[in-house]
Amino acid sequence: GNSVTQMEGPVTLSEEAFLTINCTYTATGYPSLFWYVQYPGEGLQLLLKATKADDKGSNKGFEATYRKETTSFHLEKGSVQVSDSAVYFCAPYGGSQGNLIFGKGTKLSVKP
Amino acid sequence: NAGVTQTPKFRILKIGQSMTLQCTQDMNHNYMYWYRQDPGMGLKLIYYSVGAGITDKGEVPNGYNVSRSTTEDFPLRLELAAPSQTSVYFCASSTQGAYSNQPQHFGDGTRLSIL
Repeated sequence: GNSVTQMEGPVTLSEEAFLTINCTYTATGYPSLFWYVQYPGEGLQLLLKATKADDKGSNKGFEATYRKETTSFHLEKGSVQVSDSAVYFCAPYGGSQGNLIFGKGTKLSVKP
Repeated sequence: NAGVTQTPKFRILKIGQSMTLQCTQDMNHNYMYWYRQDPGMGLKLIYYSVGAGITDKGEVPNGYNVSRSTTEDFPLRLELAAPSQTSVYFCASSTQGAYSNQPQHFGDGTRLSIL
């Protein structure tokens, strides 16, 4: 079935470091792709999205590019802040009911 | 902007008890979803609805029931609580459903423990 694979966490970085969180997926066709962020004790918030091949989603300094050839949607940020500490989920549409498919999430901790 | 509101935020149940998790949204979204999130895992779809009066099973529906009498409300019912249902439950809504380019909007979750 369809699935998502994210890099294992936790990821610990120093403030202002460069961040990459890898995400690859399998799905039928070319679904829209999303990154969600979950801050401690909160629900999931949409971070960014891309709806077709080569689209780049961006928000709050985070970016991700829809790579059709490699079925990937890696999340990047040039300079992380302590406030970016959270769990990040890559989620394409593509479940058997057309729902979002979630990976296990990647926990990011940013130290001052 | 209320968005998706879930109640309660926390609950402890005894094995065999029943309860209803409430979810309401004020965005006039047709599509609504219930997910569960187990520790260290992603979200799994329990049930979903494409509009008032229409519901369908997701990946992990056993032990749960739902109803959708209005566009706004999508309650999730546990009839006979079991320890395996200890989880965090998220309700979500969206304007469009399968294979759309519209995101789902999530509530803050209900943390449920079955003891």
